[in-house]
Amino acid sequence: GQSLEQPSEVTAVEGAIVQINCTYQTSGFYGLSWYQQHDGGAPTFLSYNALDGLEETGRFSSFLSRSDSYGYLLLQELQMKDSASYFCAVSKGRRALTFGSGTRLQVQP
Amino acid sequence: DTEVTQTPKHLVMGMTNKKSLKCEQHMGHRAMYWYKQKAKKPPELMFVYSYEKLSINESVPSRFSPECPNSSLLNLHLHALQPEDSALYLCASSQEQEDNEQFFGPGTRLTVL
Repeated sequence: GQSLEQPSEVTAVEGAIVQINCTYQTSGFYGLSWYQQHDGGAPTFLSYNALDGLEETGRFSSFLSRSDSYGYLLLQELQMKDSASYFCAVSKGRRALTFGSGTRLQVQP
Repeated sequence: DTEVTQTPKHLVMGMTNKKSLKCEQHMGHRAMYWYKQKAKKPPELMFVYSYEKLSINESVPSRFSPECPNSSLLNLHLHALQPEDSALYLCASSQEQEDNEQFFGPGTRLTVL
């Protein structure tokens, strides 16, 4: 089977940096994805890591360590609009995504 | 056109009703997905279609019946649902089944009475 663990809630203030961790247990691991979902909205793709290291896309970065079965999403210069749920997800070849339980990020003024 | 559309937005049905959810994309994607999402939970995969053929069925009860009439359309036929089936049903698509970037539609909010 597969399991992913991420914190249920994180709170931070505008302009700050926040890191959302994700640990996973799965066989046949291909990569780790991150999705954002605002309340009442659809999940939207943020990033994907197949190899170890850091991927940067604007204010968002994602990191993967395959040896540690661990990844994180880093959000910089937080804005109020970043308040949302963030899901890590693993892929196993042609198997589709399995999502983690999600981290609810609340950005405060 | 870079969006996935779903109809209806909201649906209320009785346990004896038959209804269908529809999903459409015009991005030329060859993989399409149905997910079920309960409040404050992650999306749970139900079905995957790849090149219009059913590729994955995650042991979904037969009261949910998917259909892919062509490469742009995906339907989910509902029959004899239970109240616990009430959820947000999300459709998604990706270029290929192996792709990790999936494009999600806004979902259909289903209530079963």
